[in-house]
Amino acid sequence: SQTIHQWPATLVQPVGSPLSLECTVEGTSNPNLYWYRQAAGRGLQLLFYSVGIGQISSEVPQNLSASRPQDRQFILSSKKLLLSDSGFYLCAWSDPSGGVDEQFFGPGTRLTVL
Amino acid sequence: SQQGEEDPQALSIQEGENATMNCSYKTSINNLQWYRQNSGRGLVHLILIRSNEREKHSGRLRVTLDTSKKSSSLLITASRAADTASYFCATAIGSGNTGKLIFGQGTTLQVKP
Repeated sequence: SQTIHQWPATLVQPVGSPLSLECTVEGTSNPNLYWYRQAAGRGLQLLFYSVGIGQISSEVPQNLSASRPQDRQFILSSKKLLLSDSGFYLCAWSDPSGGVDEQFFGPGTRLTVL
Repeated sequence: SQQGEEDPQALSIQEGENATMNCSYKTSINNLQWYRQNSGRGLVHLILIRSNEREKHSGRLRVTLDTSKKSSSLLITASRAADTASYFCATAIGSGNTGKLIFGQGTTLQVKP
């Protein structure tokens, strides 16, 4: 069966510090991968998606970047965090060969920038 | 711009009652999905309805889709306290194989025991 992991679960960082959030998927190959951010009490904003190794599409201009160094690894980064980067970050995957777009979500990372 | 908009934003009902949530969207879709999120957790997929379907059932869930009105509804029958969560609709749009979804702002459901 497939599983998706995210770490860390929570993170408190000062403004101007770097960021690295990691997401890994097990039990599947060539997944589509997604990073979302969710503000408190709000819906999900798609930040990045990837259809393959090294292929990253950005949905919104921002202070963040994403990379996919391996097939089942997706990393969200920032060189200098802003207060506005605080939020709940969710990673998800979908199976592009399945013909449907159902996404499977990780447990999320709660990021607080102080 | 937001593709999906849920209504109401918040809903509070007694256990055993039915809960209905609505979702409206703006553009043509391939399918529409509903997800559930418990507080502080990731989202869990509930049900998917394709653009050529009008109604779909899964256990106590019933989803309808009206493409002429660009709207969908999620009905939870005989609600339980454990149904307390936020519910999001998500629309799959566009061509290609990206699997991108556009999520609405969600409906927060509270079921009182």
